[in-house]
Amino acid sequence: QLQLQESGPGLVKPSETLSLTCTVSGGSISSSSYFWGWIRQPPGKGVEWIGSIYYSGTTYYNPSLKSRLTMSVDTSKNQFSLKLSSVTAADTAVYYCATVTQVRMGLNWFDPWGQGTLVTVSS
Amino acid sequence: QSVLTQPPSVSAAPGQKVTVSCSGSSSNIGNNYVSWYQQLPGTAPKLLIYENNQRPSGIPDRFSGSKSGTSATLGITGLQTGDEADYYCGTWDSRLSVVIFGGGTKLTVL
Repeated sequence: QLQLQESGPGLVKPSETLSLTCTVSGGSISSSSYFWGWIRQPPGKGVEWIGSIYYSGTTYYNPSLKSRLTMSVDTSKNQFSLKLSSVTAADTAVYYCATVTQVRMGLNWFDPWGQGTLVTVSS
Repeated sequence: QSVLTQPPSVSAAPGQKVTVSCSGSSSNIGNNYVSWYQQLPGTAPKLLIYENNQRPSGIPDRFSGSKSGTSATLGITGLQTGDEADYYCGTWDSRLSVVIFGGGTKLTVL
């Protein structure tokens, strides 16, 4: 069964770039069955979709983050990554990676999720 | 403020039944499929329901999902103290071109 694990710095300075990697085990990131997604959750708040990527590089980004967001896939390492530029304190959150089953636009779900990693934006 | 509206909290006694509502519009729930997630304290969200009413393997049939028009409902029967968690609905919004989640509902089993 698929397992996902996030990794990256826990502290990022304001105006810098947040970079996270998700390592997939138990299956291939090149599977045609899945997209790969990022979701975040500010402390004490609800969850927010960041974006999703297919192994071929096709991406879907949250329009509210699109100008600052870059997602990529490294099939040789079975990993996918997130870069969010020009961060502020509002980007402080637990960041989760997840497997996305997307049958078609409008029919998708997130399962499983990684355990999450807290990223704090502070000087 | 989320595009999908959930009650902030619900509560019921052990063994009882509870429902969690998720209200949206024609651009999201009305024309797309809903999934539900359970987030136990200090853990990552976990898929409970997909495609409006389908349960992944391993999810007990105490959990059910339904959709009518622009609203969806999660039902939990035979409540257990271990069901205390935050519950989120999620779907695609065709107008905004974004995956959206409700604000979450905290379930307390009294």
